[in-house]
Amino acid sequence: KAGVTQTPRYLIKTRGQQVTLSCSPISGHRSVSWYQQTPGQGLQFLFEYFSETQRNKGNFPGRFSGRQFSNSRSEMNVSTLELGDSALYLCASSPAPGTGVEQYFGPGTRLTVT
Amino acid sequence: TQLLEQSPQFLSIQEGENLTVYCNSSSVFSSLQWYRQEPGEGPVLLVTVVTGGEVKKLKRLTFQFGDARKDSSLHITAAQPGDTGLYLCAADTGRRALTFGSGTRLQVQP
Repeated sequence: KAGVTQTPRYLIKTRGQQVTLSCSPISGHRSVSWYQQTPGQGLQFLFEYFSETQRNKGNFPGRFSGRQFSNSRSEMNVSTLELGDSALYLCASSPAPGTGVEQYFGPGTRLTVT
Repeated sequence: TQLLEQSPQFLSIQEGENLTVYCNSSSVFSSLQWYRQEPGEGPVLLVTVVTGGEVKKLKRLTFQFGDARKDSSLHITAAQPGDTGLYLCAADTGRRALTFGSGTRLQVQP
């Protein structure tokens, strides 16, 4: 069974631009969560989608948004990029929503904002 | 303020040594998870502990959940270079989402 895939793996953007990251979950998994990982703040929860609906959202500004499609693939968008948005963005999929279900992480997208 | 405090932050040891890393909180958790993350990869779940006092073993790794379900430890026996990575604990702190600790970065020298 193929794992979680994320595209692109690396991205360099300029301040003020916007970016869209993509995540394809494991086949049959309907829940997708997104996390931001930085050296200073560690791994922080962004949001969770299940059946095309945002089920939960972390403490991030409105510049961070996401969506999920009917095939469970998910995208996250960051508008008006800031230098502090430089991070590894991780996507995790699971068969069902909630923290009690095992999540499978993708390799992440490394975003650098200059 | 980190809800999950991990210690130590960094650990560099020789192959064959034993080590313990800790995950502490003032909150009570219904369950706690341990992950290992290798460079260029996402975290991989190692174990989930649920019951206070529970001990789980995964080959040379021993995980313990505190009696009060506020803390956990991971003990590695006879560490090998393949154990190198970032070890993360995570729990639901009541926000219906996983909160991760800051991690312990382990380097095992051959």
